[in-house]
Amino acid sequence: NAGVTQTPKFQVLKTGQSMTLQCAQDMNHEYMSWYRQDPGMGLRLIHYSVGAGITDQGEVPNGYNVSRSTTEDFPLRLLSAAPSQTSVYFCASSYALTGGEQYFGPGTRLTVT
Amino acid sequence: AQSVTQLDSQVPVFEEAPVELRCNYSSSVSVYLFWYVQYPNQGLQLLLKYLSGSTLVKGINGFEAEFNKSQTSFHLRKPSVHISDTAEYFCAVSEPGNTPLVFGKGTRLSVIA
Repeated sequence: NAGVTQTPKFQVLKTGQSMTLQCAQDMNHEYMSWYRQDPGMGLRLIHYSVGAGITDQGEVPNGYNVSRSTTEDFPLRLLSAAPSQTSVYFCASSYALTGGEQYFGPGTRLTVT
Repeated sequence: AQSVTQLDSQVPVFEEAPVELRCNYSSSVSVYLFWYVQYPNQGLQLLLKYLSGSTLVKGINGFEAEFNKSQTSFHLRKPSVHISDTAEYFCAVSEPGNTPLVFGKGTRLSVIA
């Protein structure tokens, strides 16, 4: 099993550009989530999904869109990148929303200039 | 809603010394508690978790944590640290039901030779 994979590993965007961060898992997990990690802020939840076709907002959803058309994939779209979105983004999956171990991808380091 | 406070942002400790990383949570109901570790330039991985039962939980790499309901704490301990334990450690909490995991801001453990 590859576990949770994320692409790209690094990305530089200009303000106003859009892009999609890809996330895929091969563990047949129903629950997937996106976090951003900023120094001194820990991990903050952006969006999450409890199954194909079902998504919900987390703590910091503004400026991001998600969709979940399959169990395996959970892409994160930045609609119009801003410098405040410079961060490291992690995707995670779990067999349960609560109580289950979350498996994290290796992260995408995004810089917006 | 649940929240997590990690009381120390940085903890330096000499090799082979004991260490305690402190975590307090806030919740109005019963909780599930987790400790995750993040090694440099990697994603997070689970160290241990408390769901129910014994309040002393043992995890990987010689770490353990004790759930204290009266003090709403879940401190992480290791009796003798190694250089390889240098990493960032995150405490996280979730409540039963459809509520996602909430992370603390992290504690950076630096083991000094």
